[in-house]
Amino acid sequence: KAGVTQTPRYLIKTRGQQVTLSCSPISGHRSVSWYQQTPGQGLQFLFEYFSETQRNKGNFPGRFSGRQFSNSRSEMNVSTLELGDSALYLCASSLGGAPYEQYFGPGTRLTVT
Amino acid sequence: KQEVTQIPAALSVPEGENLVLNCSFTDSAIYNLQWFRQDPGKGLTSLLLIQSSQREQTSGRLNASLDKSSGRSTLYIAASQPGDSATYLCAGRGADRGSTLGRLYFGRGTQLTVWP
Repeated sequence: KAGVTQTPRYLIKTRGQQVTLSCSPISGHRSVSWYQQTPGQGLQFLFEYFSETQRNKGNFPGRFSGRQFSNSRSEMNVSTLELGDSALYLCASSLGGAPYEQYFGPGTRLTVT
Repeated sequence: KQEVTQIPAALSVPEGENLVLNCSFTDSAIYNLQWFRQDPGKGLTSLLLIQSSQREQTSGRLNASLDKSSGRSTLYIAASQPGDSATYLCAGRGADRGSTLGRLYFGRGTQLTVWP
């Protein structure tokens, strides 16, 4: 069974631009969560989607948004990029029910210049 | 709010040693606890998941325990190998602002180096 895939793997953007990251979950998984990882803050929860509905959200500004499609694939969008948005963005999928074990993708490394 | 702490932050040992990595959490109302491994610049690999009703889980040379009453989990690595070198993260799933399904709260990790 294929694992979680994320595209693109690396991205360089300029401050003020916007970016869209994509995540394809493991087949059969209906929940997708997004995390931001930085050396200073560690892993921080962005949001979780289940059956196309956002069911939990972390403490990030409204510039960070996401969505999930009917095939469970998810996208995350960051508008008006800031230098501090440079991070590894990780996507995780799970069945959506117990035991809620999460499986992570390889991440997208975003660099904002 | 759940806070997860991992001790030590870094560990360097010779090959063959048995290791103990510690994880503590502040809210005992934890649904489950998951241990992950992360290699530099890579994603997270799930190692073990312990449900709140369980006391421990084992996979190969790895054994993880959970003590909800004391707010602690331990990852034991037997007969360490250079290939075990990575950052080990623990994460607890707990309630979050009315969301009964909660979310994962991560520790900052223990960076492990096993030298031959």
